[in-house]
Amino acid sequence: SQTIHQWPATLVQPVGSPLSLECTVEGTSNPNLYWYRQAAGRGLQLLFYSVGIGQISSEVPQNLSASRPQDRQFILSSKKLLLSDSGFYLCAWSRGATGRKSEQYFGPGTRLTVT
Amino acid sequence: AQKITQTQPGMFVQEKEAVTLDCTYDTSDPSYGLFWYKQPSSGEMIFLIYQGSYDQQNATEGRYSLNFQKARKSANLVISASQLGDSAMYFCAMRDSNQAGTALIFGKGTTLSVSS
Repeated sequence: SQTIHQWPATLVQPVGSPLSLECTVEGTSNPNLYWYRQAAGRGLQLLFYSVGIGQISSEVPQNLSASRPQDRQFILSSKKLLLSDSGFYLCAWSRGATGRKSEQYFGPGTRLTVT
Repeated sequence: AQKITQTQPGMFVQEKEAVTLDCTYDTSDPSYGLFWYKQPSSGEMIFLIYQGSYDQQNATEGRYSLNFQKARKSANLVISASQLGDSAMYFCAMRDSNQAGTALIFGKGTTLSVSS
């Protein structure tokens, strides 16, 4: 069966510090991968998605970046965090190239607080 | 532009009763997919049910069913025989047809509280 991992679970970082959140998927190959952010009491906002190694699409201009160094690894980074980067970050995967029915499966999330 | 609207910030229901969570959507794409997710207090997003725009019948998954009214562009989630464990935030989502991947556009969610 497939599983998706995220770490760390929680993180408190000062403004201006760097960020690295990691997401890995097991039990599948060539997945589509996604990073979403959820502000308190709000819905999810897509940040990045990837359909393959080294292929990253950005949805929201910001100081965050994403990389996919391996097929089942997706990393969210920042060189300098802003207060507005606080939120709940969720990684998700879906089966690639399967048409429109492919649901997304989410990881446990990382709760980031920028102080 | 595609959009998902959930107009109920919070809903309250007693155990064993049925509840309907509203969702309306807007898209010009004739082919689309609609999803419902549950988010308990732990934060994890749990997939519940899917409805395709060309599906002839309403989707059902156990106690969950989707009341799909295509002409009205609504995809309401019906939970039958509510349980205390159903207390959570519920999100309606639609596949974004403008992207090569399968990213989703989410509504703002509805908080469901089930009481005994």
